[in-house]
Amino acid sequence: DQQVKQNSPSLSVQEGRISILNCDYTNSMFDYFLWYKKYPAEGPTFLISISSIKDKNEDGRFTVFLNKSAKHLSLHIVPSQPGDSAVYFCAAILFTSLIFGKGTTLSVSS
Amino acid sequence: DVKVTQSSRYLVKRTGEKVFLECVQDMDHENMFWYRQDPGLGLRLIYFSYDVKMKEKGDIPEGYSVSREKKERFSLILESASTNQTSMYLCASSPGTDNTGELFFGEGSRLTVL
Repeated sequence: DQQVKQNSPSLSVQEGRISILNCDYTNSMFDYFLWYKKYPAEGPTFLISISSIKDKNEDGRFTVFLNKSAKHLSLHIVPSQPGDSAVYFCAAILFTSLIFGKGTTLSVSS
Repeated sequence: DVKVTQSSRYLVKRTGEKVFLECVQDMDHENMFWYRQDPGLGLRLIYFSYDVKMKEKGDIPEGYSVSREKKERFSLILESASTNQTSMYLCASSPGTDNTGELFFGEGSRLTVL
């Protein structure tokens, strides 16, 4: 049973527009959420995180929103750039384990 | 900069062969992890370790074992490789006192089992 779900396998966006990547989770015990970005043939790299006691965290073009009542988080990228094209993984921490979603492939066209 | 190094980027092995995947980190991290990444399945945890000589099973440990004899090194072993173990294998590490979950990943080892 998936505890972290990314229901959209792919997303296509034009350069300069907003990209919104979504993630749902089932376990209310998760206390920290992270987004990772992965290019082909490279390991994932940490992008941004949010504690369960917050509802928003911003870092440059990247903002993560957390809606605990809906068990939903989203990653906003504004403005999107072609270099943002990658697979994005949502992840949640339960105690010391990091549980990943299946990923969403973002394609940003110029 | 944290560096996690995986010894082999690409390997091709035959069914039944024993396979060793090596991972070394240079930041004195307590925690080390092995994941595999498959299309449509995301990152799945195979094994992890919180300390030298300690290991814990992840979500999909079957067919794998691990070894952590030194703090900086975490090895993944496939005792008898099978075709369904063809995958991208990712090693990661994190500080023991860091509960924010940020993992530092290596570049991955793409294993093909024929």
